[in-house]
Amino acid sequence: QKEVEQNSGPLSVPEGAIASLNCTYSDRVSQSFFWYRQYSGKSPELIMSIYSNGDKEDGRFTAQLNKASQYVSLLIRDSQPSDSATYLCAVKLAYSGYALNFGKGTSLLVTP
Amino acid sequence: DVKVTQSSRYLVKRTGEKVFLECVQDMDHENMFWYRQDPGLGLRLIYFSYDVKMKEKGDIPEGYSVSREKKERFSLILESASTNQTSMYLCASSNQGAGTNEKLFFGSGTQLSVL
Repeated sequence: QKEVEQNSGPLSVPEGAIASLNCTYSDRVSQSFFWYRQYSGKSPELIMSIYSNGDKEDGRFTAQLNKASQYVSLLIRDSQPSDSATYLCAVKLAYSGYALNFGKGTSLLVTP
Repeated sequence: DVKVTQSSRYLVKRTGEKVFLECVQDMDHENMFWYRQDPGLGLRLIYFSYDVKMKEKGDIPEGYSVSREKKERFSLILESASTNQTSMYLCASSNQGAGTNEKLFFGSGTQLSVL
């Protein structure tokens, strides 16, 4: 079983702060990495994908990838209460075609 | 927008029943997936399919089977439902290919309770 590890949280940050979510993975040959957001009672939705080492920015979100350390992170700048959700890290496994292996998720709470 | 439709939002079944969970997508996606989501365990892959009549086992296929007779439809079958199969079941689909097409589109989920 190839592992994707996340701190379950909850991570609590004040409104306007930067939220930092972290993920490590065990399959060294993984090439594709994703962050999904899941609101309570809803299905996951993709917010970021990253394939190369370094940073990728999309609005208030920045994904960071370090393949040597097998580490992926998501930064949310200017956090809003509407960002309160569970954030799922997902890794495309080298041996399983197009399936994704998900971490258990980190619960984020943004307090007004 | 891509739509992935799961036939039931809530389902209650008895132990030993054969259960069918249906999933239909309307964007001609090659790949379809079944996950289950449990508190504290996250999303776990049961089965996936990358073509009609093709299926691959995921991490937890025991007690389940699947059917993909048409490209748009992927069914999950619980041969003899047990209480430990009480869970939220999520269907997803995606295009093949690397890069920006690797987005999973999820259905709204089926909460299955086995009594």
